[in-house]
Amino acid sequence: EAGVTQFPSHSVIEKGQTVTLRCDPISGHDNLYWYRRVMGKEIKFLLHFVKESKQDESGMPNNRFLAERTGGTYSTLKVQPAELEDSGVYFCASSQVVPPTSGRVVDTQYFGPGTRLTVL
Amino acid sequence: AQSVTQPDIHITVSEGASLELRCNYSYGATPYLFWYVQSPGQGLQLLLKYFSGDTLVQGIKGFEAEFKRSQSSFNLRKPSVHWSDAAEYFCAVGRVKTSYDKVIFGPGTSLSVIP
Repeated sequence: EAGVTQFPSHSVIEKGQTVTLRCDPISGHDNLYWYRRVMGKEIKFLLHFVKESKQDESGMPNNRFLAERTGGTYSTLKVQPAELEDSGVYFCASSQVVPPTSGRVVDTQYFGPGTRLTVL
Repeated sequence: AQSVTQPDIHITVSEGASLELRCNYSYGATPYLFWYVQSPGQGLQLLLKYFSGDTLVQGIKGFEAEFKRSQSSFNLRKPSVHWSDAAEYFCAVGRVKTSYDKVIFGPGTSLSVIP
């Protein structure tokens, strides 16, 4: 079974340009999350999709960031225009929606390899 | 607010020595706890997780962790470290809200292994 994949693995752009990151979750995983780690800081939650719906976007830093998940499969995260402080590693994760009969409410999040974004 | 602390930013151990990485969390309810590892150039890999039940959990690559509610800790251990264990280790807590969790990460501990 394929894991979470992310594209590109690296992206170097200039300040003011636009970049789009893509995440393909594990097949069948309705939950999709975006996280990022900026240099020297902790890995921080950005937002969460269930299928195509945004459930929680409380971690999105500002309106220069736009995430979409059309059709409930892969997701894109667009940064427009990019600023220097956007540099970091952007991780995507996916998990299954847990059946109510399982006795618990969460399932493990599986992470992709990340996209390293450098804004010059 | 939920938080995770990893007191050790960097640890160096000799190959074959035992290892313990510390993790403390702050959370108002029973947490869901995870340890992830990131090797150089790789993504985040799940080592182990604690949802409920036995407080000593076994993971991959010979790692184990023990949940101690009284100490709000979830320390990671390995009896004998291999050179390939050199990586960055992240403790994380899953915040349960309705039917999903937002994972909150600690700052990470970087592990170096001396041959």
